[in-house]
Amino acid sequence: ETGVTQTPRHLVMGMTNKKSLKCEQHLGHNAMYWYKQSAKKPLELMFVYSLEERVENNSVPSRFSPECPNSSHLFLHLHTLQPEDSALYLCASSQDEKGRAEKLFFGSGTQLSVL
Amino acid sequence: GENVEQHPSTLSVQEGDSAVIKCTYSDSASNYFPWYKQELGKRPQLIIDIRSNVGEKKDQRIAVTLNKTAKHFSLHITETQPEDSAVYFCAASKSGGTSYGKLTFGQGTILTVHP
Repeated sequence: ETGVTQTPRHLVMGMTNKKSLKCEQHLGHNAMYWYKQSAKKPLELMFVYSLEERVENNSVPSRFSPECPNSSHLFLHLHTLQPEDSALYLCASSQDEKGRAEKLFFGSGTQLSVL
Repeated sequence: GENVEQHPSTLSVQEGDSAVIKCTYSDSASNYFPWYKQELGKRPQLIIDIRSNVGEKKDQRIAVTLNKTAKHFSLHITETQPEDSAVYFCAASKSGGTSYGKLTFGQGTILTVHP
C-alpha cells in the first residue's frame, strides 16, 4: 500500500453518535493534516501535526478531536456533530522542513453525512 | 490571515484551446504558491508549484506565472484535452521562517474541456 489511505470512505452518523476517521500515510512524511471540503467552499484547514505535535488548530469546534499516535497515523474523533458538519474530510501528509507546509499528498477522503 | 480569491469559478473550453485560471492573495509575505487538480470523486493532486523568487514555471502543457507586485498568480493550460477536466485549486502560504506555514486555498475552478 502506498500513498495516503483513509477509512472509511463513506460514513453516515446521527448527531448523538461517536465515530472516528482514520488516516495512514506510507510515504515516510513527518507532517499530517486534516482538511474539510464542503460544496462551493475552499478547502478548510482543521488541524496540523508536525513530528506528532499539534502545530495548528484552526478554531475547530471541540466536537472534532484529532489524535496523532505516530507520524504515520492520524485520527479524527467525532462526537455530537451537527448536520452542517456533513462534508468530505481529507487527510494529507507532507515532509515538513523548517515549517514548510508544501507538496501535500492527499488521501481520497471520507464523505461524512450527519443526519 | 491570508485570503485567496480564485476566478473564474467555472470555465468551459473546446479541446485544443488554452485555459487560464487566476488567483489573487492578500498577504505580501506569502512565498509559496501551489496548484492542485481534483478529478471527480478523486483526491486533490499537486500539479505544479512556484516560489516567490521565480516569475514563471513550466511543466509540459501547464505553466504558472507569478506577479508579486500585484499579488496574483495564474495557471495556464495549453492544448487542453478532455482529461484536463477537473476542479483546480490554487493556494498560498508563508513557508519557512519561525512560524509554521499553512496553505490557504482558493474556492476552486471547475474546468470542462469539450471534445
